[in-house]
Amino acid sequence: QKEVEQDPGPLSVPEGAIVSLNCTYSNSAFQYFMWYRQYSRKGPELLMYTYSSGNKEDGRFTAQVDKSSKYISLFIRDSQPSDSATYLCAMSAIQAGTALIFGKGTTLSVSS
Amino acid sequence: DVKVTQSSRYLVKRTGEKVFLECVQDMDHENMFWYRQDPGLGLRLIYFSYDVKMKEKGDIPEGYSVSREKKERFSLILESASTNQTSMYLCASSSPFLAVSSTDTQYFGPGTRLTVL
Repeated sequence: QKEVEQDPGPLSVPEGAIVSLNCTYSNSAFQYFMWYRQYSRKGPELLMYTYSSGNKEDGRFTAQVDKSSKYISLFIRDSQPSDSATYLCAMSAIQAGTALIFGKGTTLSVSS
Repeated sequence: DVKVTQSSRYLVKRTGEKVFLECVQDMDHENMFWYRQDPGLGLRLIYFSYDVKMKEKGDIPEGYSVSREKKERFSLILESASTNQTSMYLCASSSPFLAVSSTDTQYFGPGTRLTVL
């Protein structure tokens, strides 16, 4: 079983839809959870960062962590064509910044 | 804002050539990383460095070497490029520790798309 599983998609939604992106993981020691957004032919950029369980909201984006189910989610409300990108989850068990484990990414396409 | 820059956006090289990919960060980060990204395989760590002149192998170091002579600069070297090294190469940097209340994690450069013919 891979440490981090992420459905590659592609996921296609109409503008204005609510999008749910998910990752599951197997290592119960993961405490730090991140979502990166990567536009085509660009480097990933940090979108959301969460420590331990719970929700974190930033504008139209909500990151949710359920450690009991080993499941993290990114919700995008009122999706826009500019949200079309690949979304990668990343996580770490320890504080060391060297130890990020990445999902393979989900490709999202939002049509106008 | 954290800035990580990479020397080239696109590079085309011949099989057998020695290739240098340069990465510079301006945030005084201790850690620097080189990844390659391929469709269906995601990000794979090649090498990382946690200090000047220090390096650690990642998951796929074969065919690559690195150099870190200055804190802000981390170079990836393909000693003899092969076609299976055609890929997107991403550099990242971070401070040594993740923090509970900040967003101090890995920051990426724009990537170098390398084609080996």
